[in-house]
Amino acid sequence: NAGVTQTPKFQVLKTGQSMTLQCAQDMNHEYMSWYRQDPGMGLRLIHYSVGAGITDQGEVPNGYNVSRSTTEDFPLRLLSAAPSQTSVYFCASSPLGVAKNIQYFGAGTRLSVL
Amino acid sequence: ILNVEQSPQSLHVQEGDSTNFTCSFPSSNFYALHWYRWETAKSPEALFVMTLNGDEKKKGRISATLNTKEGYSYLYIKGSQPEDSATYLCAFTPAGNNRKLIWGLGTSLAVNP
Repeated sequence: NAGVTQTPKFQVLKTGQSMTLQCAQDMNHEYMSWYRQDPGMGLRLIHYSVGAGITDQGEVPNGYNVSRSTTEDFPLRLLSAAPSQTSVYFCASSPLGVAKNIQYFGAGTRLSVL
Repeated sequence: ILNVEQSPQSLHVQEGDSTNFTCSFPSSNFYALHWYRWETAKSPEALFVMTLNGDEKKKGRISATLNTKEGYSYLYIKGSQPEDSATYLCAFTPAGNNRKLIWGLGTSLAVNP
């Protein structure tokens, strides 16, 4: 069972560079989301999607774009990386309508922006 | 502002000790309360989701209770083992937005052999 797969696991960027964090799930979950985890702060929602073709902003969307062309994939794009985006990023998925919104998390991507 | 607070922030216990920690959340506008276990270098995994006042859930040596009227949940670990060492996160879902999760900062548990 692959579950939620995130790549890469680690990434170092220079300020101003762009990159895409990949997330894929094989559980046919409608709901997918991206969080960032920073020291001293709880998981914060960046963007989420309730199905293919539908995305919406979370608490901290600035500097990030997402798209959801398929049910399986939900990539997160950093348009012009900034040191404030140094964080650990988690992708999660959840089935809609059942299981009370239980989140299935990927292994995380640790990003450093220099 | 909806806040979820967890206490203590960290805890060190000896193998075999039983322990518990608290998650506090807004008592009004409640939909669900989640507990997750997050081991170092891994991703958070769901332990329990509770929705009803007085709910009690159990998985092995770990159990949780829920009091929605006063806005708290307890997580109990009986006879702690080193493999229980992890951060335990709780998350609150408010009514009216049942896809939203508001996360606490977690309680970091270290069980010494």
